[in-house]
Amino acid sequence: EAQVTQNPRYLITVTGKKLTVTCSQNMNHEYMSWYRQDPGLGLRQIYYSMNVEVTDKGDVPEGYKVSRKEKRNFPLILESPSPNQTSLYFCASTSGLGRGYEQYFGPGTRLTVT
Amino acid sequence: TQLLEQSPQFLSIQEGENLTVYCNSSSVFSSLQWYRQEPGEGPVLLVTVVTGGEVKKLKRLTFQFGDARKDSSLHITAAQPGDTGLYLCAGDVDNNDMRFGAGTRLTVKP
Repeated sequence: EAQVTQNPRYLITVTGKKLTVTCSQNMNHEYMSWYRQDPGLGLRQIYYSMNVEVTDKGDVPEGYKVSRKEKRNFPLILESPSPNQTSLYFCASTSGLGRGYEQYFGPGTRLTVT
Repeated sequence: TQLLEQSPQFLSIQEGENLTVYCNSSSVFSSLQWYRQEPGEGPVLLVTVVTGGEVKKLKRLTFQFGDARKDSSLHITAAQPGDTGLYLCAGDVDNNDMRFGAGTRLTVKP
């Protein structure tokens, strides 16, 4: 089954404690992205990757890091989480960019930083 | 301000009613997508429209792309409780710049 998986699904942590949210896709997609979803703001892109070892900032990259060492994995790293990073996070992958390409989303990770 | 404004933000209707939700922008998009997101899940693509004036139908759902490719609408006929969810529009400004609206949260009561 084609899917994007994320772990953990729920995470409560404290300010400053480093954490990693994993993302993996089994569709051999080149393009992967991380989004955060906040009420009234919709989905905002944090980082994206166009291929292995190629990553770039999205709209809201501050406080986040990513890596793409393998095609299937795209972890999101919060080196020093802060309460304003409390949000619902989605990983997505797609086979192409632009017109008509479907993004496949993971089930989401709900992060609370106290 | 959002690049894509969706309205209404919330909509609660009875089963069997018709509804239309809107996605508006001052920007021109090369394509526009509609996604539906259910609680505890990620968004799932419903449709992609690419041509100004294009109309696509998916069972009881009708999607229209504005002639100027700046806006879109989603019309649902005879809504059912299974249509409940968050409807998101996403516009492709240029390759790899996909912007999402904040969504319309639809509740269909039995």
